[in-house]
Amino acid sequence: NAGVTQTPKFRVLKTGQSMTLLCAQDMNHEYMYWYRQDPGMGLRLIHYSVGEGTTAKGEVPDGYNVSRLKKQNFLLGLESAAPSQTSVYFCRTGNTEAFFGQGTRLTVV
Amino acid sequence: GENVEQHPSTLSVQEGDSAVIKCTYSDSASNYFPWYKQELGKGPQLIIDIRSNVGEKKDQRIAVTLNKTAKHFSLHITETQPEDSAVYFCAASKNSPYALNFGKGTSLLVTP
Repeated sequence: NAGVTQTPKFRVLKTGQSMTLLCAQDMNHEYMYWYRQDPGMGLRLIHYSVGEGTTAKGEVPDGYNVSRLKKQNFLLGLESAAPSQTSVYFCRTGNTEAFFGQGTRLTVV
Repeated sequence: GENVEQHPSTLSVQEGDSAVIKCTYSDSASNYFPWYKQELGKGPQLIIDIRSNVGEKKDQRIAVTLNKTAKHFSLHITETQPEDSAVYFCAASKNSPYALNFGKGTSLLVTP
């Protein structure tokens, strides 16, 4: 039982490049979320999904897109990466309770 | 929207001492208050939670207290150990999963 798995764990991008972060869960949760964590800022919600085929904006959605084509997967995309998107990204699943992945450390140079 | 304030941002204690982290929330309708521990290089993990119909909850060396009137809740760790060193996050929610609002975290250091 892997729980919540994020790939990749680390990535360095050049400004303007694109990439997709994958979150996969095997807990059959309806709700999935993407957060970013920055020093002194805590966890800020980027986008979330309440079920397969649905997505919604969170607190800091600009510069990101998401898709939930399958219930078990939630993808976070950066179309044109900017240095301000350097952060640690966490996927979360669960309704009121929260189960987090191990994080993806992204650096945009 | 809900605003969760967490204090202190850093806390250093000697092994064996107690540690207390406090959070305040703004929305009186919030009814679920979890605490998460985040170790270096890992995602946050739930360590204890409390709902608004309870004033205190204990789990071994960890306890959480809730004061609904004052709208604050606290995490208490007794007999601290070096492995308790981590970042701790509080959160508040009111039956809206995506509205789990987090505090900014407390970095706890337990020195031997």
